Amino acid sequence: DADVTQTPRNRITKTGKRIMLECSQTKGHDRMYWYRQDPGLGLRLIYYSFDVKDINKGEISDGYSVSRQAQAKFSLSLESAIPNQTALYFCATRPGGSYNEQFFGPGTRLTVL
Amino acid sequence: GNSVTQMEGPVTLSEEAFLTINCTYTATGYPSLFWYVQYPGEGLQLLLKATKADDKGSNKGFEATYRKETTSFHLEKGSVQVSDSAVYFCALIRERGGGADGLTFGKGTHLIIQP
Repeated sequence: DADVTQTPRNRITKTGKRIMLECSQTKGHDRMYWYRQDPGLGLRLIYYSFDVKDINKGEISDGYSVSRQAQAKFSLSLESAIPNQTALYFCATRPGGSYNEQFFGPGTRLTVL
Repeated sequence: GNSVTQMEGPVTLSEEAFLTINCTYTATGYPSLFWYVQYPGEGLQLLLKATKADDKGSNKGFEATYRKETTSFHLEKGSVQVSDSAVYFCALIRERGGGADGLTFGKGTHLIIQP
């Protein structure tokens, strides 16, 4: 079974709709991250969380919000989706401490029409 | 702020050719450096990492050396295979205080290996 799962894997929605992307992990890591990937731009950090009570904005948080429901769950919401939020979204987790790698989920492909 | 610059792709090579993908970075302090690989339709996987100057990360025949003097972390492999076809991302994380603030990625290099 995958350690980091994302649901849904694919989603097509319309402009103005509210969308939630979910991430769950069984690795027991404290730290969780949301990134988006756009062709030619690499991955950019949206939000990150060190624990349930510690949530921080990343490089491109405008238009997004997050919720850390439990250590194992970190959700990303688009309150009113717009077409330029069409992208591939990745969740990642990382254990506390320095120099540790991040573990990525399989991604959610979101299309906003 | 932090930034990572890597060579644009796609890079097309024949099987058994020598591979170099250049990566340079800008960061304050002493970042940790990573190479991630993304196979078609999959998420990112860590390929190798280095956490201090002159460290060499290696995995699956790939190598990269952390060069602080040139702020570089070039990825190399002596003989590539078709199965190495993927997108490769150079990334850094700048350790800060008691925690880290997420990875900064390069734009990715699409590698295509032809038989």
